[in-house]
Amino acid sequence: DAKTTQPTSMDCAEGRAANLPCNHSTISGNEYVYWYRQIHSQGPQYIIHGLKNNETNEMASLIITEDRKSSTLILPHATLRDTAVYYCIVRPWGGSARQLTFGSGTQLTVLP
Amino acid sequence: SQTIHQWPATLVQPVGSPLSLECTVEGTSNPNLYWYRQAAGRGLQLLFYSVGIGQISSEVPQNLSASRPQDRQFILSSKKLLLSDSGFYLCAWTADSGANVLTFGAGSRLTVL
Repeated sequence: DAKTTQPTSMDCAEGRAANLPCNHSTISGNEYVYWYRQIHSQGPQYIIHGLKNNETNEMASLIITEDRKSSTLILPHATLRDTAVYYCIVRPWGGSARQLTFGSGTQLTVLP
Repeated sequence: SQTIHQWPATLVQPVGSPLSLECTVEGTSNPNLYWYRQAAGRGLQLLFYSVGIGQISSEVPQNLSASRPQDRQFILSSKKLLLSDSGFYLCAWTADSGANVLTFGAGSRLTVL
């Protein structure tokens, strides 16, 4: 499975867009990019996933580069409640649960 | 709508004591169920998963066991806890065998003293 690289931490001002990068330069053609987040002392929460096209839902937007070697999760108007660790994961659709590997992620702190 | 419940939320146990953490899912049938552990400041480690009643797959050798006595019930147990069993235990479910989108419970924080 492809490995991902994320910054350890980021800050964002409340109300501004939060852009969280993820590098996955060894991604395979059948691997999707997934994003989850984990608010302190809670279980992870699924945010969004994509293969090669940009995706948007009520929580966030996912921008995947044309070569698929990196992606950016965008929270358009960050709030204090968006402070969390954000995990970028790549794995095949329909792969086994052991392939859903949560690394260290990016600690996003939204500042008032 | 589907919901997932875990209890207890917090547990402090002495070394050598038994453990039982319970997870139930409502609003769905035949879910795929998972137990993860998160040590302090670390990522999530998959411990067990189950695709049906009585079917348990273990990912890592350890001091823990899992059981699925009913379709929507998943239990994590230990006969004798070790200090290294301390951590944040998370139950998760998905409707599909591909584990494409996992829904996690609120977690159970275990401290072994």
